[in-house]
Amino acid sequence: QKEVEQDPGPLSVPEGAIVSLNCTYSNSAFQYFMWYRQYSRKGPELLMYTYSSGNKEDGRFTAQVDKSSKYISLFIRDSQPSDSATYLCAMSRGFGNEKLTFGTGTRLTIIP
Amino acid sequence: GAVVSQHPSRVICKSGTSVKIECRSLDFQATTMFWYRQFPKQSLMLMATSNEGSKATYEQGVEKDKFLINHASLTLSTLTVTSAHPEDSSFYICSARPQAGGTSDTQYFGPGTRLTVL
Repeated sequence: QKEVEQDPGPLSVPEGAIVSLNCTYSNSAFQYFMWYRQYSRKGPELLMYTYSSGNKEDGRFTAQVDKSSKYISLFIRDSQPSDSATYLCAMSRGFGNEKLTFGTGTRLTIIP
Repeated sequence: GAVVSQHPSRVICKSGTSVKIECRSLDFQATTMFWYRQFPKQSLMLMATSNEGSKATYEQGVEKDKFLINHASLTLSTLTVTSAHPEDSSFYICSARPQAGGTSDTQYFGPGTRLTVL
């Protein structure tokens, strides 16, 4: 069993829709949870990070962490074609210096 | 701010040759840099953690004699793939963590280097 499971998709939604991306994990030691966006042939770009359980909002993006269920989510409101990318969840036991464990990534396409 | 560059962005080489990839933090100093490998439609897999002025720490299953890492300064780390073979073809990505008290306590990723070994 992988430490982090993420549906690879692909996921296609119409412009303006709400997108829900999810990851589950098995290691209860994970404390920090991150979402990265990766465009084709580019390096990942950090979108959001959260510590422990709870919600965090940044513009059109909302990250949720439920440690009791070992389940994290990223919601994108009012999705735009420019949001089309691969979204990777990542998590670590510590922040910054600890190694990151990534999900496989979900390929998202927003249809104009 | 917090920009990480990689050079080259793409390299094609013959089997048996060695290839060096550079990772630079452009506007911050990084005591720690990480090297990842990503195969098509797969996740990023950490290869090694590189600390300035000390030996790199390699993940299980990664051959340290094949993937040589040098972190000679606070802004530069290099990965050398020695005697490359077709199975080494992959997307290599580095990330850098700013020094404590710097820009932010997170890892910033470079744009990646696409290596193709013929």
